[in-house]
Amino acid sequence: GAGVSQSPRYKVAKRGQDVALRCDPISGHVSLFWYQQALGQGPEFLTYFQNEAQLDKSGLPSDRFFAERPEGSVSTLKIQRTQQEDSAVYLCASSFDPRSPLHFGNGTRLTVT
Amino acid sequence: GESVGLHLPTLSVQEGDNSIINCAYSNSASDYFIWYKQESGKGPQFIIDIRSNMDKRQGQRVTVLLNKTVKHLSLQIAATQPGDSAVYFCAETNLGGTSYGKLTFGQGTILTVHP
Repeated sequence: GAGVSQSPRYKVAKRGQDVALRCDPISGHVSLFWYQQALGQGPEFLTYFQNEAQLDKSGLPSDRFFAERPEGSVSTLKIQRTQQEDSAVYLCASSFDPRSPLHFGNGTRLTVT
Repeated sequence: GESVGLHLPTLSVQEGDNSIINCAYSNSASDYFIWYKQESGKGPQFIIDIRSNMDKRQGQRVTVLLNKTVKHLSLQIAATQPGDSAVYFCAETNLGGTSYGKLTFGQGTILTVHP
């Protein structure tokens, strides 16, 4: 079946612009995570949803970052007033339940110029 | 393709050799560990997992060893193939209680397999 789908694949934004990154998890997956991966680093946790509830947003770097999953399926990560340090790959992952292995999408590479 | 891991540890092997990738994890409370493979331009791909009540687990061509005393994890790949070339990450979490399995990733190791 289809895996986790993320769009756009690449995004170039000028400093100060707002961006929205989309994640379509595997159908039926309850858990959804967003991770940020800087060049040469492992993914770092941003936020977690269980269905539509955002249970942990402790990894969001600042209040410019906002995530939602209003119907418990598709999720959007929004970054306001982008800064150069926001340049990274943003990965979405989903799992059937909190104790199942995570399935990752291929990410959105954000470049802020 | 993109250049990932300019400062990551590297392991270079010949096709057919066995590979061993090591990882030191940080949290003694972690009870679930996963190895992921990440190819250039792609997301991490699940390889194998192990729970803390085990010391060893085998999959197809891969074996994971866990040493909780020294907080060390290793991934062994048998008969390494060029398609195994990628960055390998270990990840840890705690599945107990109300935890939801938030993963903490290690630094990563670049594996290059030469034909």
